[in-house]
Parts: sequence; C-alpha cells; structure tokens
Amino acid sequence: KAGVTQTPRYLIKTRGQQVTLSCSPISGHRSVSWYQQTPGQGLQFLFEYFSETQRNKGNFPGRFSGRQFSNSRSEMNVSTLELGDSALYLCASRGLGAGGLQETQYFGPGTRLLVL
Amino acid sequence: GNSVTQMEGPVTLSEEAFLTINCTYTATGYPSLFWYVQYPGEGLQLLLKATKADDKGSNKGFEATYRKETTSFHLEKGSVQVSDSAVYFCALTRNTGGFKTIFGAGTRLFVKA
Repeated sequence: KAGVTQTPRYLIKTRGQQVTLSCSPISGHRSVSWYQQTPGQGLQFLFEYFSETQRNKGNFPGRFSGRQFSNSRSEMNVSTLELGDSALYLCASRGLGAGGLQETQYFGPGTRLLVL
Repeated sequence: GNSVTQMEGPVTLSEEAFLTINCTYTATGYPSLFWYVQYPGEGLQLLLKATKADDKGSNKGFEATYRKETTSFHLEKGSVQVSDSAVYFCALTRNTGGFKTIFGAGTRLFVKA
C-alpha cells in the first residue's frame, strides 16, 4: 500500500505571496491532519479533516486554511506569507478501525517551505 | 493542559551502547502514548505505541512502558547502531473533544561507530 504523499517537496516563496500544499493520504484513509515543524516551536498541530469536514483546529491565524476533497486528498493554503512561515509542513493520515478512527497517524515526507 | 517533556539532546553514544530517552507527560484522562522517529530529510515514522497503563510498546529493539504512576514513557534500546541516528519524538494523543496529538520537542541521537 502506498504511503502518504506530499507535493511539492520543496518550495521557495517571497513574503506576501500565497502557497498551496497538497497531501494524498494512504488509500482508504479518510482523516488527514496537518502539522507545522520549526526548530523553535517544534511540531504544532494545524488542523484535521475527515470526510471533507474540518474536525479540529490548532492555534494558527486565519491565513492558514485547508480543505479536503471527496477522494480524501487534502490541500493546505497559506496566504500573505511571512518569514516565520518557513517550516516543514507535514501531513498525516488515519484509517478506520473496529472502534472508529484509529489513533495511529502515518506521516508523509513533508513539504519544506522557505519564505524569503 | 496536556504536555510532553523530553530530555534535551543531543545524545551521543557509541555503537552497542544502551539508550534511554526520558519522556514524561501531563494529561487529563487516559491518553495513548507514542514514539516517532524522524530521519534526516524525512517525515515522522511510528516507532512504537502504548494505549493503556502498563502496556509495553516494542519495535526494532526499542521498548517503552506506559507508566501511569510516574506519568512516563521512556524509550530504551539495549544496543544502538549507527543507523539509529535520528530525532526521536515522544507524543500523546487524546481523542476526547477532538483528536489531538501533542509532541515533545524531540531528542536528537548521534551514534558513533
């Protein structure tokens, strides 16, 4: 079974621009979560989507948004980029088990965003 | 609130040495506990997990036991290899009021040949 894939892997943008990152979960997984990883703040939760609905949101400004499509693929958008948005953005997917959504997350390789 | 505290790195060991990376947590209720590993340039990989008190997670020679009385989930390996060099993250997951994972700051491990 193919793992979680993220595109692009690397991205360079300038301040004020916007960016869209894409994540394809493991086949059959309907939950996708997004995380931001920086040296200073570590791994921080952005949001989670399940069946095209946002279920949970972290403490990030409204410039960070996301969506999920009917095929469970998810996109994350950051508008009006700031230097501090430079980070590794990770997505993770979860599948359904006998008791509902499983707790184990499977991570993609990440998209490294550099804002100049 | 919920939090995870890991020992600061980097940790530098010689090959075949014993590894312990300490992890303690604060949480209400009964979270599940995880160790993830991140190799250079890659995302996180699940290393092991435990879902209730006294459970022991194990994988690839690594072990960790969910200790509710000490709120700890320390990672251990009896004999490390150069290929174990990576960053290790302890994490807890709560599934009440919305699924949420809290990660520790990560501990970088260097293993010398």
